[in-house]
Amino acid sequence: DIQMTQSPSSLSASVGDRVTITCRASQSISYWLAWYQQKPGKAPKLLIYKASNLESGVPSRFSGSGSGTEFTLTISSLQPDDFATYYCQKYDNYPVTFGQGTRLEIK
Amino acid sequence: EVQLVESGGGLVQPGGSLRLSCAASGFTFSNYWMTWVRQAPGKGLEWVANIKQDGSEIHYVDSVKGRFTISRDNAKNSLFLQMNSLRAEDTAFYYCARYLNSGPEDYWGQGTLVTVSS
Repeated sequence: DIQMTQSPSSLSASVGDRVTITCRASQSISYWLAWYQQKPGKAPKLLIYKASNLESGVPSRFSGSGSGTEFTLTISSLQPDDFATYYCQKYDNYPVTFGQGTRLEIK
Repeated sequence: EVQLVESGGGLVQPGGSLRLSCAASGFTFSNYWMTWVRQAPGKGLEWVANIKQDGSEIHYVDSVKGRFTISRDNAKNSLFLQMNSLRAEDTAFYYCARYLNSGPEDYWGQGTLVTVSS
């Protein structure tokens, strides 16, 4: 099975900072990667699909890039609402798997 | 507005069974694959199973194969997860989610908690 590894596992940053989270696949998944944001006690929210496509309604400060085995989620200017846990997900074939998550905390 | 509402969670003893339901509204349920994803308390997300629009294709994560059964009733806009031979490691919030035609899951319910403990 293809493994998804996110880095870092946790990150402290300030409002206004530019933040990048990385997700690596153990084998190529082409562009079949999604990013989700999850806040405590809430369901995950889709941010990015097909590696770089912004889901409708998601602020443009979020962007995704990459293909093959290495992907990034970038938040261009952190807002207070962005402090949450972020997960990547590969969905090229089965089994679908998620990265272990990156917890983004306020510095 | 798309809504997914899970129900059926609760406390069950190891080896027991539970049936989860997900009521869908706000979209044409029969047009979409549907998925179950779980999350142990304080842990990450784990994809569990999904089912094609007409139920003709189903996939499971290895850890639940032979114990869990996903099904749907398009007439009632409902998704189900029958969970048998439950283990402590099945303890989690279970989310149902709508799967886009080429993925991924775009709308999620708020989850229902399953606790397996004696």
